[in-house]
Amino acid sequence: GAVVSQHPSRVICKSGTSVKIECRSLDFQATTMFWYRQFPKKSLMLMATSNEGSKATYEQGVEKDKFLINHASLTLSTLTVTSAHPEDSSFYICSARDLSSGSTDTQYFGPGTRLTVL
Amino acid sequence: AQSVTQPDIHITVSEGASLELRCNYSYGATPYLFWYVQSPGQGLQLLLKYFSGDTLVQGIKGFEAEFKRSQSSFNLRKPSVHWSDAAEYFCAVGARGNTPLVFGKGTRLSVIA
Repeated sequence: GAVVSQHPSRVICKSGTSVKIECRSLDFQATTMFWYRQFPKKSLMLMATSNEGSKATYEQGVEKDKFLINHASLTLSTLTVTSAHPEDSSFYICSARDLSSGSTDTQYFGPGTRLTVL
Repeated sequence: AQSVTQPDIHITVSEGASLELRCNYSYGATPYLFWYVQSPGQGLQLLLKYFSGDTLVQGIKGFEAEFKRSQSSFNLRKPSVHWSDAAEYFCAVGARGNTPLVFGKGTRLSVIA
């Protein structure tokens, strides 16, 4: 089946620095990817919808200047956490839907990135 | 508003016993329903999905789920639980196409000997 990868799987950074997380669809093209955030022992909350070649759509309450999203190609979306603070520590998961002919229109999730801000 | 309710936060079952995890949804259009499983520190793995047709769907690892429109439910079942099934289970609802999923809060499954 389709695979979505994320890199890095785990990152620790100092407060005030920026961190970039990559999300790739490995064997299908994704015009849209989704970024979710998961707090410990909580559900997934949609942060933003990443659209190839255009601006991302952010959910209410998500700071677009803090969480920069770039969807430069049909297989890559990046999430950059700018000026990270300890409260940004979380598990970030991306997903993409394979809408190609013959696919099962399933949303595939990446393995997640654990961000810890010290 | 779209929402998913998983009433049970934590369930403990004995190995070999049957399992049912509850999921109720609220969705304005024809729902596409999913069950995902997440092991600690890992991403989400799709167990099964319902788009249309037969309301009883079979998934991986011996799981099945039944869509009941009249009850707005999509409960997950397994006849005999294995210790390796211990994980967090998420029910989700969405629409077809490039739309995100709405997740329930999850049910944590513990399996005891």
